[in-house]
Amino acid sequence: EPEVTQTPSHQVTQMGQEVILRCVPISNHLYFYWYRQILGQKVEFLVSFYNNEISEKSEIFDDQFSVERPDGSNFTLKIRSTKLEDSAMYFCASKRDRDNQPQHFGDGTRLSIL
Amino acid sequence: RKEVEQDPGPFNVPEGATVAFNCTYSNSASQSFFWYRQDCRKEPKLLMSVYSSGNEDGRFTAQLNRASQYISLLIRDSKLSDSATYLCVRGNAGNMLTFGGGTRLMVKP
Repeated sequence: EPEVTQTPSHQVTQMGQEVILRCVPISNHLYFYWYRQILGQKVEFLVSFYNNEISEKSEIFDDQFSVERPDGSNFTLKIRSTKLEDSAMYFCASKRDRDNQPQHFGDGTRLSIL
Repeated sequence: RKEVEQDPGPFNVPEGATVAFNCTYSNSASQSFFWYRQDCRKEPKLLMSVYSSGNEDGRFTAQLNRASQYISLLIRDSKLSDSATYLCVRGNAGNMLTFGGGTRLMVKP
């Protein structure tokens, strides 16, 4: 069964540094998402992306965050100047159509900010 | 009021038991509903979509009551492998998912 894949599985970064999290969505999917989960808390929506542009974003997704689909397969989340509170699991998800079908999640990147 | 609210548990049940989880949501414009399960420090994995008419998938039954803004999940004949956190999730028209905090289930031998 096709999977969403994410790299790296664990990223350790100094506060203030830039970090790029990478995702390869399922190949025929058109809608892409980033979520995060701080340890012990609920999964939170960050941003959705379709047709090479952001379609929806949450309050968490401020100017420090950006997303990009640099080629036909990768979908990246960049955090420009990381803060301690950015430490979390970051999940990428994708779905094929706009209808009410479920999203499929990657196994996440654990981001630790020191 | 929280957008998606769940009893955090834990629910401790013996193998073979039937267990039910409930979930309430506050946004009546919600378009779609799902149950995901999450194992410790892993990604959410889809368990089942939830339809207005109710739906069943093997030992799992989901119900949706739009008038009461209430969703349920019933697990019959619990297995040890059912031990996980069960996430109630709603989707909006833009397909953004809003997650509940999860209900933890522990199935004991």
